[in-house]
Amino acid sequence: DAKTTQPPSMDCAEGRAANLPCNHSTISGNEYVYWYRQIHSQGPQYIIHGLKNNETNEMASLIITEDRKSSTLILPHATLRDTAVYYCIVRNDNYGQNFVFGPGTRLSVLP
Amino acid sequence: AAGVIQSPRHLIKEKRETATLKCYPIPRHDTVYWYQQGPGQDPQFLISFYEKMQSDKGSIPDRFSAQQFSDYHSELNMSSLELGDSALYFCASRLAGGTQYFGPGTRLTVL
Repeated sequence: DAKTTQPPSMDCAEGRAANLPCNHSTISGNEYVYWYRQIHSQGPQYIIHGLKNNETNEMASLIITEDRKSSTLILPHATLRDTAVYYCIVRNDNYGQNFVFGPGTRLSVLP
Repeated sequence: AAGVIQSPRHLIKEKRETATLKCYPIPRHDTVYWYQQGPGQDPQFLISFYEKMQSDKGSIPDRFSAQQFSDYHSELNMSSLELGDSALYFCASRLAGGTQYFGPGTRLTVL
């Protein structure tokens, strides 16, 4: 799996958009970009994933650059409950591979 | 929607004892993954099963074993417990071609 690089920590004001970057410059053509988050010792929670196109769901938006070497997870209106560690993971779905976590970005949403 | 169920949620054992953790995947999911998360660390992959056969193996100690049963639930058996085995243990399930969904975890404390 391609290696990912994320900033160790970020702050965001409540109600503002949180933009979490991820670099995956060695991503291959059949690897997906997944985002999960972990809120204080709870099980990792699936947020969103994509291959090439930008994706949006009820939780977030995922913007993938045209060359696929980086992506940004956007939480449009961050709340205090969005404080968590966010993991960007690159994985080839065709082989059902396990996830390699870490180290992720610790997002703190401030009141 | 049904989620991954793990039991027990908390377990306290003495050194050199054995422990069995159980995982009940989301209905119709055919793949189960086990992860270990030590204090202050990111989740680390241990082992996975697809259709009741071991599909991949990570950094699982020889003292640990696991299996997936005919009803797709899985059990992680841990023997000769050590203090360093104290951790959160997460199970995740997946339907082939789909996304991994994590359970709430079992917190194991070895005294």
